[in-house]
Amino acid sequence: DAGVTQSPTHLIKTRGQQVTLRCSPKSGHDTVSWYQQALGQGPQFIFQYYEEEERQRGNFPDRFSGHQFPNYSSELNVNALLLGDSALYLCASSLWIGQGTNEQFFGPGTRLTVL
Amino acid sequence: GESVGLHLPTLSVQEGDNSIINCAYSNSASDYFIWYKQESGKGPQFIIDIRSNMDKRQGQRVTVLLNKTVKHLSLQIAATQPGDSAVYFCAGLGGGSYIPTFGRGTSLIVHP
Repeated sequence: DAGVTQSPTHLIKTRGQQVTLRCSPKSGHDTVSWYQQALGQGPQFIFQYYEEEERQRGNFPDRFSGHQFPNYSSELNVNALLLGDSALYLCASSLWIGQGTNEQFFGPGTRLTVL
Repeated sequence: GESVGLHLPTLSVQEGDNSIINCAYSNSASDYFIWYKQESGKGPQFIIDIRSNMDKRQGQRVTVLLNKTVKHLSLQIAATQPGDSAVYFCAGLGGGSYIPTFGRGTSLIVHP
């Protein structure tokens, strides 16, 4: 049973470019959340997707957008990249809260470097 | 919003010692707390959780203590092993949110 998988592992972009990160949730999970983790900091919540809709959003600008597909996998898109977007981007999967569990399982992350 | 922070950014211990990692939170509405372990190159991994109606919970070699009066929780690791070396985060949930709010983390270094 595969856990949460993310691709790519590492990515280098330049300022102003756009990037797409991908996540496949743990088998049986239907909800995907994305986090940004700057070096030396804890993960910061970006947004959460369930039933292909954004359900909750953290304090991130509209440059950050996402999508969830019918198979529950998800993408995170970041436009007009800034140097400050350099971070580890984590995906976490879970079952929708209405089913009674809060536990999130995290993937290994995608390390994004913006030059 | 929730603010969760840790008292000590780095903790160094000898193999076999007991480790205690502390965490303070500010949101009185927080009613559920999770400790995560993050090893280098990996995402955070769930260790143990505790709800606000409890003040202590034990797992395998780990114990979490919650003091709601002073908004403080701690993670105790018994007989610390080199494999315990990682960054440990506490995260709080509650006040209508099911999204964990993470603190900065404590780096635990275990010397053989």
